[in-house]
Amino acid sequence: QVQLVQSGSELKKPGASVKVSCKASGYTISSHAMNWVRQAPGQGLEWMGWINPSTGKPTYAQGFTGRFVFSLDPSVNTAYLQISSLQAEDTAVYYCMRDNYDGTDSFFDYWGQGTLVTVSS
Amino acid sequence: QPVLTQPTSLSASPGASATFTCTLRSGLNVGTYRIYWYQQKPGSPPRSLLRYKSDSDKKQGSGVPSRFSGSKDASINAGLLFISGLQSEDEADYFCAIWYTSTWAFGGGTKLTVL
Repeated sequence: QVQLVQSGSELKKPGASVKVSCKASGYTISSHAMNWVRQAPGQGLEWMGWINPSTGKPTYAQGFTGRFVFSLDPSVNTAYLQISSLQAEDTAVYYCMRDNYDGTDSFFDYWGQGTLVTVSS
Repeated sequence: QPVLTQPTSLSASPGASATFTCTLRSGLNVGTYRIYWYQQKPGSPPRSLLRYKSDSDKKQGSGVPSRFSGSKDASINAGLLFISGLQSEDEADYFCAIWYTSTWAFGGGTKLTVL
C-alpha cells in the first residue's frame, strides 16, 4: 500500500530555513518522480517543481528558484523540500505528490498529507 | 490573464448533477490538452479524480466513482468535470490543471456547495 507521510507543522522566523520530509512507503522512491506544490492559506495550488528519481536532478518552476531545494535520500526512501531565507509569503501548506508517469502521461496518484509551514516573527 | 480560469463557486442539490468549467486562456486550444481534475476537502490533501483529453484518451483515478467524468466544450474552450448523483460528501474544492510549457498550471478552484 503506497503512502506518502510528511513531517509535521513548522513555525519559523523570517530568515530561517526549514526542511520538509516526505517519506514513501509501499514503493521505492527512486522509481517515480516526486513533485511539490504549495497552497497558501485559502488559496489554490501552485506547482513548485519536481525531482527526477533516476538522476536526482531537480526542476524548479518559475518563482521557486534560488531558495528552494528538492532532494532525495533513497536509503530512507524519503524526499525533501528545503526552503531557506524564509519570508512571510512562504506561509503555506506544502504537498509532495508521486507522479505515476506511464511513458506518455503523468498522473499524481498519491499525495502526502501536507506540511504547514508558518513564517512569523 | 491566467492560463486556466474556474468559477469560484457552484451550488447544487443532493441527487442533482454539477458541471464544472475550466476555461483555457485565449490562444490555447482545449483540444490539445489533457485536463486534470482534483478534489480537495477541507483539511485534506487534494485527490486526483481524473484526466480527460478525449473519449479515447482518459483516465479515472483509483477508487473514483464513475459518476465523476470529464469532457470538453470546444465552443467555450473549456474542460468540463461532471458529477452526477450529488452527495453531501462531494462538497469540496475542485481544481483543474494542464501541463503547459513544461509547467503544471492550476486553475483557481471552484467551491462546490451541496445544499
